[in-house]
Amino acid sequence: RKEVEQDPGPFNVPEGATVAFNCTYSNSASQSFFWYRQDCRKEPKLLMSVYSSGNEDGRFTAQLNRASQYISLLIRDSKLSDSATYLCVVTTDSWGKLQFGAGTQVVVTP
Amino acid sequence: GAVVSQHPSRVICKSGTSVKIECRSLDFQATTMFWYRQFPKQSLMLMATSNEGSKATYEQGVEKDKFLINHASLTLSTLTVTSAHPEDSSFYICSARARQDRGLNEKLFFGSGTQLSVL
Repeated sequence: RKEVEQDPGPFNVPEGATVAFNCTYSNSASQSFFWYRQDCRKEPKLLMSVYSSGNEDGRFTAQLNRASQYISLLIRDSKLSDSATYLCVVTTDSWGKLQFGAGTQVVVTP
Repeated sequence: GAVVSQHPSRVICKSGTSVKIECRSLDFQATTMFWYRQFPKQSLMLMATSNEGSKATYEQGVEKDKFLINHASLTLSTLTVTSAHPEDSSFYICSARARQDRGLNEKLFFGSGTQLSVL
């Protein structure tokens, strides 16, 4: 079983709509969680950290469910520029090895 | 802001040759450098972790004699793919952690990646 699993998608989303997707992790000792965005053949870029109480950054909302061991990302009012692959990243401590999911592809259409 | 410069961005080479990829941290000291490999539609897989001045720690299944990592200074780490073969064709990317006493939080700063194609 992979340590971090994501639905690969693609999620085809009309511009202006809302899209949400999850990521599950297998290590219950995981402590830090992040969402990264990766465009094709480019480096991943940190989108947001995920906090226990959930957090929002503009149109993006991240949630953490420790009991069920998943995190989620919701994108409101989708823009064409939101089209990308969203990587779920988990680590067991501040300096530990990052575990990347394979990514969820989002395609926003006009 | 903190930047990691990675070169080359793309390299095509013949089977059997060696390829060196460089990652330089600009405006900060990278005490730890991570090297990843990513195949199409797959996740970034950590290959090795290197700390400045010490030997790299390789992940299980990664041949240390094939993927030579050097982290001789706080601003430069290199990955050399020795005797490259077509199955080594992949996207290689580095990321760096900054020193805590620099005031930078524990973010990872990624290089822009190197697409290696071995013919």
